[in-house]
Amino acid sequence: DQQVKQNSPSLSVQEGRISILNCDYTNSMFDYFLWYKKYPAEGPTFLISISSIKDKNEDGRFTVFLNKSAKHLSLHIVPSQPGDSAVYFCAARILNSGGSNYKLTFGKGTLLTVNP
Amino acid sequence: NAGVMQNPRHLVRRRGQEARLRCSPMKGHSHVYWYRQLPEEGLKFMVYLQKENIIDESGMPKERFSAEFPKEGPSILRIQQVVRGDSAAYFCASSHLTEQTEAFFGQGTRLTVV
Repeated sequence: DQQVKQNSPSLSVQEGRISILNCDYTNSMFDYFLWYKKYPAEGPTFLISISSIKDKNEDGRFTVFLNKSAKHLSLHIVPSQPGDSAVYFCAARILNSGGSNYKLTFGKGTLLTVNP
Repeated sequence: NAGVMQNPRHLVRRRGQEARLRCSPMKGHSHVYWYRQLPEEGLKFMVYLQKENIIDESGMPKERFSAEFPKEGPSILRIQQVVRGDSAAYFCASSHLTEQTEAFFGQGTRLTVV
């Protein structure tokens, strides 16, 4: 039972254009969502997050949009750069009463390739 | 400020041997999480530990796997009598108990069982 789904295994875009990575979830208890970037042979690196009380969060070239009614979020990267080429994981969690972040549920990832 | 340190980076074990994976959290972090990534899969939560306590081990296989985070020293993920299906990348993450703090991941240990 995959609660976080990234249906596109790969995405290829031209440098300077927009990259849009999508993520769907099924568990309505999730209230915090994160995107991680992962290079080969390295650990995931936190990129950006969004709380369920918001519908948009922006950080430089990265913007995450959340549509709670559709249980869908997306990561926009603009303009895309060759250094953005990596696997992007969508993750979700349920904040427990203690506020500690654990038990992230990850999607399978999308491999983004940005061509020069 | 060193990040989350995992060692070894690569570990090869024969079937039936034991594998020990180590994780030193970031300075000041007292919460450690272990995740496993099987080939072509996303990361799957295994266990959450605080110093000397296992808080949540709901993602751990029922047999052969154990984890600890002693008062002194790194967190250890131990796999006894490894089988080929244990081959995966094992990632450790740590965090400080702060509202909405993001967990920081180590570089992982790639376990290969031959």
